[in-house]
Amino acid sequence: AQSVTQLGSHVSVSEGALVLLRCNYSSSVPPYLFWYVQYPNQGLQLLLKYTSAATLVKGINGFEAEFKKSETSFHLTKPSAHMSDAAEYFCAVSAASGGSYIPTFGRGTSLIVHP
Amino acid sequence: KAGVTQTPRYLIKTRGQQVTLSCSPISGHRSVSWYQQTPGQGLQFLFEYFSETQRNKGNFPGRFSGRQFSNSRSEMNVSTLELGDSALYLCASRDRGEAFFGQGTRLTVV
Repeated sequence: AQSVTQLGSHVSVSEGALVLLRCNYSSSVPPYLFWYVQYPNQGLQLLLKYTSAATLVKGINGFEAEFKKSETSFHLTKPSAHMSDAAEYFCAVSAASGGSYIPTFGRGTSLIVHP
Repeated sequence: KAGVTQTPRYLIKTRGQQVTLSCSPISGHRSVSWYQQTPGQGLQFLFEYFSETQRNKGNFPGRFSGRQFSNSRSEMNVSTLELGDSALYLCASRDRGEAFFGQGTRLTVV
């Protein structure tokens, strides 16, 4: 069984400030981990993924995430927020189960960026 | 490669009607999954098809069904529509654990 918890349904930051979106997961087997971004009325776009290589993963648009097995966390960060980063962000975990890798998604965190 | 294509983008239906949504996955991907996204429930997994067979199913009533064709294109059908079926329906084709999403179909039931 696998699950994802995203802490905070809304995160508000000022433009230029650090972005930190939290994600904790549970999985009975080594997981793949993902962060997706969704703009209004659009599908989900992959930001970055962890697949058991380097624990610090760099993604698109300046985002990165660090896999911490001891904390079962995969928090998303960006050093300096931009207005265009305002969107919904989803963390997902995927692990092999009966030959399938169906991802489980968190409830999402809405990032609000103030000028 | 072309991405995942969902048609139509928007639909308005009346309660009691039925609807069919279509999804064309990325070329070479054999797995297609469907999700329902609503503000209250978030992203909920409907079902997954792989090589024309339903491989996994979420916790949705039998009014929700799907199928996959030999070219991996998939359709999702909802019968006897209810107001609560109003949602963004997302299709994703998968390459192992990574899901690639379409733009979604916004279904409004009135």
